[in-house]
Amino acid sequence: AQTVTQSQPEMSVQEAETVTLSCTYDTSENNYYLFWYKQPPSRQMILVIRQEAYKQQNATENRFSVNFQKAAKSFSLKISDSQLGDTAMYFCAFMKHGEWAGSYQLTFGKGTKLSVIP
Amino acid sequence: DAGITQSPRHKVTETGTPVTLRCHQTENHRYMYWYRQDPGHGLRLIHYSYGVKDTDKGEVSDGYSVSRSKTEDFLLTLESATSSQTSVYFCAISDTVSSGRSSYNEQFFGPGTRLTVL
Repeated sequence: AQTVTQSQPEMSVQEAETVTLSCTYDTSENNYYLFWYKQPPSRQMILVIRQEAYKQQNATENRFSVNFQKAAKSFSLKISDSQLGDTAMYFCAFMKHGEWAGSYQLTFGKGTKLSVIP
Repeated sequence: DAGITQSPRHKVTETGTPVTLRCHQTENHRYMYWYRQDPGHGLRLIHYSYGVKDTDKGEVSDGYSVSRSKTEDFLLTLESATSSQTSVYFCAISDTVSSGRSSYNEQFFGPGTRLTVL
């Protein structure tokens, strides 16, 4: 079974600054995906960024980037130029890949509550 | 946004009563999932479906049953609700997406249902 650990229950950052959210995972799989989801106060789950384990290059999406360290099983999210709209819960999630159906379920961490301070 | 609706969006019920939550999609995606979200636990998988009438248990399936008689609908039933089932319930859908030489399976989430069992 996979486990995902987010060691920072809460974080805060000043507007326009950079913040990094940590995530570690444990798996014996070699082929998998990692995701960061954002959940604002509206409760909607929004995909922020995706990383394929076989890719060494770190994924980026505008102000969001990841630092993927496969050997260390670490997957941190960096948010640059933080904006008030980035205030949300952030969840790290793991998905096995390459098997049928049931392997496409997500295993989530417990989340990090990020507050962006004006 | 992916076409996923959940009904009802809010429900208050009493211990021992049956409750059915509905997830409806217009995307014709093969896979559907039910998660529950509780403070300090992130999202945890209850049940999932990989086709019409094809379902399987997730991490926290005790006390829940599901049915999928049509591609577009996935029902979650609490046969006899308990206070420990007070939670926010999310439905998700997914299908395989081809991206160059690789393929992946990305989940899209519904708006959630807040269930309170008194």
